[in-house]
Amino acid sequence: DTGVSQNPRHKITKRGQNVTFRCDPISEHNRLYWYRQTLGQGPEFLTYFQNEAQLEKSRLLSDRFSAERPKGSFSTLEIQRTEQGDSAMYLCASSLDSRQETQYFGPGTRLLVL
Amino acid sequence: QQQVKQSPQSLIVQKGGISIINCAYENTAFDYFPWYQQFPGKGPALLIAIRPDVSEKKEGRFTISFNKSAKQFSLHIMDSQPGDSATYFCAAGSAYKLTFGTGTQLKVEL
Repeated sequence: DTGVSQNPRHKITKRGQNVTFRCDPISEHNRLYWYRQTLGQGPEFLTYFQNEAQLEKSRLLSDRFSAERPKGSFSTLEIQRTEQGDSAMYLCASSLDSRQETQYFGPGTRLLVL
Repeated sequence: QQQVKQSPQSLIVQKGGISIINCAYENTAFDYFPWYQQFPGKGPALLIAIRPDVSEKKEGRFTISFNKSAKQFSLHIMDSQPGDSATYFCAAGSAYKLTFGTGTQLKVEL
């Protein structure tokens, strides 16, 4: 399977703990995106990478959130001091260059903060 | 501020019928309008997309109609099948970021 992969698929954590999610984009896709989706809502943009450079961060991404994409390949999203409001599906997507806006989504990581 | 409004929230259609989902946007900078299909527990999958230089695009049973002056676009699913039962999201994009609607839960009954 050469699609976008995300790990873990599910994560249950206690409030105040740190969690980290990984996204492996489609090979050769140089753009990578993170979105958050809550129940009954559409995905909301969090951040975006062009290769290893993080080019935009949404206001939704508080200072407890950090994303990296070392070497322009896989990406990680870390949430520090998790809160119950962080419970959501975290989706990763990737795409080719700027003329190809088609974003291919991974299966997501569902986070539950107790 | 919701920039893409989607309706209806839910839709029940008989097998073989036509499903119609509507979206409206505000930001005239949007220049890419995809529709995604999402099954429970899965990520969204691109269904069909359109750019504002055309008024209609058809792929199989799926058609997007686009009205630039009204800033509205819609998805038509012809000959709806039970396997089409899913949540559908419209989105609007500019450069790289997609803004999604709130989704429509479609159920196709036998």
